[in-house]
Amino acid sequence: AQSVAQPEDQVNVAEGNPLTVKCTYSVSGNPYLFWYVQYPNRGLQFLLKYITGDNLVKGSYGFEAEFNKSQTSFHLKKPSALVSDSALYFCAVRDQGYQKVTFGTGTKLQVIP
Amino acid sequence: DTGVSQDPRHKITKRGQNVTFRCDPISEHNRLYWYRQTLGQGPEFLTYFQNEAQLEKSRLLSDRFSAERPKGSFSTLEIQRTEQGDSAMYLCASSTPKGYPSYNEQFFGPGTRLTVL
Repeated sequence: AQSVAQPEDQVNVAEGNPLTVKCTYSVSGNPYLFWYVQYPNRGLQFLLKYITGDNLVKGSYGFEAEFNKSQTSFHLKKPSALVSDSALYFCAVRDQGYQKVTFGTGTKLQVIP
Repeated sequence: DTGVSQDPRHKITKRGQNVTFRCDPISEHNRLYWYRQTLGQGPEFLTYFQNEAQLEKSRLLSDRFSAERPKGSFSTLEIQRTEQGDSAMYLCASSTPKGYPSYNEQFFGPGTRLTVL
């Protein structure tokens, strides 16, 4: 069985400060890891993915995430938060051998002006 | 815009009725997924199609749920004898065949919000 944990329901950060949204995962085989974002009244949008290779992956809108195999983590980061980054962020995992994707419960990011 | 489309966007039904939702994926995408999302939760995987073949199915998909993708293009999700617990947002996503740069990325539709009274 595979699972994702997003330990924070909400993260508040001041505009211009760095942000981190935490994610840990559990999967039997090799993990494929993803971050998606959901803006109010809009559909889920892909942000970035880790499949293989470099542990630091860069995605849309200046976001990046670091794959840490020993800690089974895939935290989302951005050096300088914007008010427009305020949204609901979902971490997701799938086992390399399957198509089923398991999503976390989401973390609401609030960037304060 | 040629994104994933879903129809209807909203559906209100009475308990015990059958409902059917439609998903039209991005045209060159051969992979199609259905998810269910309830308030405060992430999307829960329901089923996966590659072309017209249904290759993965969650245990969440009870006997009352069935999905089809007869020609490998659009897909339908039917819920028979709806229950109040079926009230949720039903999301469809599609993705490219292997070999595309965006392989493994899922493109989501706006969802169909089902309310069972």
